[in-house]
Amino acid sequence: GQQLNQSPQSMFIQEGEDVSMNCTSSSIFNTWLWYKQDPGEGPVLLIALYKAGELTSNGRLTAQFGITRKDSFLNISASIPSDVGIYFCAGGNTGTASKLTFGTGTRLQVTL
Amino acid sequence: DAGITQSPRHKVTETGTPVTLRCHQTENHRYMYWYRQDPGHGLRLIHYSYGVKDTDKGEVSDGYSVSRSKTEDFLLTLESATSSQTSVYFCAISDRAGITDTQYFGPGTRLTVL
Repeated sequence: GQQLNQSPQSMFIQEGEDVSMNCTSSSIFNTWLWYKQDPGEGPVLLIALYKAGELTSNGRLTAQFGITRKDSFLNISASIPSDVGIYFCAGGNTGTASKLTFGTGTRLQVTL
Repeated sequence: DAGITQSPRHKVTETGTPVTLRCHQTENHRYMYWYRQDPGHGLRLIHYSYGVKDTDKGEVSDGYSVSRSKTEDFLLTLESATSSQTSVYFCAISDRAGITDTQYFGPGTRLTVL
């Protein structure tokens, strides 16, 4: 089955640094979602994007829906220790019963 | 947080035994999904439901069956568990009002098949 390519796979950063990660696909999507998963828990929705070119913020998080509809990126500004976790992108198309395709995840670790 | 619970949260079973995982929601959402999560694979869709008694297969449905007799409950059954089905299983729900496809996830069930 199709999977989305996320990069980087993992990253270590220092507290206060900005973080950028991206997700690319060979297929077009009309919805992009970003989730965060803490250890032992289910993914939690961070940001949803519904329109090509859309730039959306949620606190220190900013995500963009690529113009080609085949990519998306997530930025985290001024990282803090609680940002640690795995970040997943997901792409979907309305009209296909909300079937999402997930990326393989970016593991973020923040050092003090 | 969306009202989604999964039971059991942890289970260890033996190869060849049947296993049923339960997902319960209090949000009255129409769509429900079962995913499995494995290292290096992210989340992969097993089955989904678009209404009571309406279900369809996802990309990794072999060896799994589902049932939905009530809006709030979605059951995933492994008829004869195999070691390859050792995984963490997540249930998700969505409400397709408007154009949203956002899904909300339960806490997961860790299944070990020995």
